[in-house]
Amino acid sequence: QKEVEQDPGPLSVPEGAIVSLNCTYSNSAFQYFMWYRQYSRKGPELLMYTYSSGNKEDGRFTAQVDKSSKYISLFIRDSQPSDSATYLCAMSVILTGGGNKLTFGTGTQLKVEL
Amino acid sequence: EPEVTQTPSHQVTQMGQEVILRCVPISNHLYFYWYRQILGQKVEFLVSFYNNEISEKSEIFDDQFSVERPDGSNFTLKIRSTKLEDSAMYFCASRPPRTGGFYGYTFGSGTRLTVV
Repeated sequence: QKEVEQDPGPLSVPEGAIVSLNCTYSNSAFQYFMWYRQYSRKGPELLMYTYSSGNKEDGRFTAQVDKSSKYISLFIRDSQPSDSATYLCAMSVILTGGGNKLTFGTGTQLKVEL
Repeated sequence: EPEVTQTPSHQVTQMGQEVILRCVPISNHLYFYWYRQILGQKVEFLVSFYNNEISEKSEIFDDQFSVERPDGSNFTLKIRSTKLEDSAMYFCASRPPRTGGFYGYTFGSGTRLTVV
């Protein structure tokens, strides 16, 4: 079983739709859960992170973590064409010395159409 | 906004040649990382670097790879004898100097390495 699984898509939605992106994981040692956005030929850009189960909201974005099910989600409300990108989930444990190695999902390619 | 800068953006090299990928992390960051992304695959951790030494490395980071912070500003990844399977996008990242809790990385835009 892969440590982090994510549906690669592609996912195509009309402008204004609610988008739901999901990842599952197997390593119960993961403590932090992140969503990154990656535009073509660019590095990942941190959108949101959460620690522990529950919801976290930031503007049109909501991150949800269910540690008991080992399942995380990112919801995008009122999606815009500029949201078209690849969305990567990532997770980490804390390394000794305070570092944190990230384990990524494969990424979901999202296209928001006019 | 501060950026992590990577050069070159694209490098083509012949199999067996040495290649050095360069990164300038954000100036007050103290944790440095290299990740790679083979086309169509996920972003994978290679190595983390703190206090002038490697703090962790993955199975991918074998004896052909090395990292260095030669002058207090640059952070380099060297591949001694490149193989075709080293072709990938290589991302440098850095993180602020705080311990405990979570602090997000800043990634560079990457260097696309093509081994022919």
